[in-house]
Amino acid sequence: GESVGLHLPTLSVQEGDNSIINCAYSNSASDYFIWYKQESGKGPQFIIDIRSNMDKRQGQRVTVLLNKTVKHLSLQIAATQPGDSAVYFCAEMQAGANNLFFGTGTRLTVIP
Amino acid sequence: DAGVTQSPTHLIKTRGQHVTLRCSPISGHKSVSWYQQVLGQGPQFIFQYYEKEERGRGNFPDRFSARQFPNYSSELNVNALLLGDSALYLCASSTRGGDGYTFGSGTRLTVV
Repeated sequence: GESVGLHLPTLSVQEGDNSIINCAYSNSASDYFIWYKQESGKGPQFIIDIRSNMDKRQGQRVTVLLNKTVKHLSLQIAATQPGDSAVYFCAEMQAGANNLFFGTGTRLTVIP
Repeated sequence: DAGVTQSPTHLIKTRGQHVTLRCSPISGHKSVSWYQQVLGQGPQFIFQYYEKEERGRGNFPDRFSARQFPNYSSELNVNALLLGDSALYLCASSTRGGDGYTFGSGTRLTVV
């Protein structure tokens, strides 16, 4: 079946450094990928998305990279701030489907 | 504008009881999806409704049911509660269900 997983369950970075969170997916039929941030007691918050016809997409301080050859997705956060501390999930959606498959998540801790 | 609202925010139920969770989508959104998030894991898809019709169902037992009302709000019902049903139940809305999901803050259900 489909699976979306993360390489690292926890990540600690110094404030001001860049963060990279990785995600592997197994379903080559997936054509839409999303990164979510989830803070304690809250629902997932949309960060950035990318479709399979793209390799890279940039937002404000965030960049998502998609490598379809090795089925790998990454989220880069520039100049990480304490407010970035949260659990980050990647999620995938198959072409023609309407539901998301989530990975386990990575907890990012920013050290002041 | 109000985001996705869910009620109640927390509740405690006893094994064997029934529970109803409610969700109001963002104004203009016609699709509502339900996800279950067990502590320490990513959300898992339960149901999707669009224009009051079920458009997708995840791998959950028949004890789980849902419906969508003419105003696009939705209810998730769970019968014969088990301890393993303890989780954060998330509702997400979107315009048509393909992408652009916005999640609510969830209902924390504890079964004792």
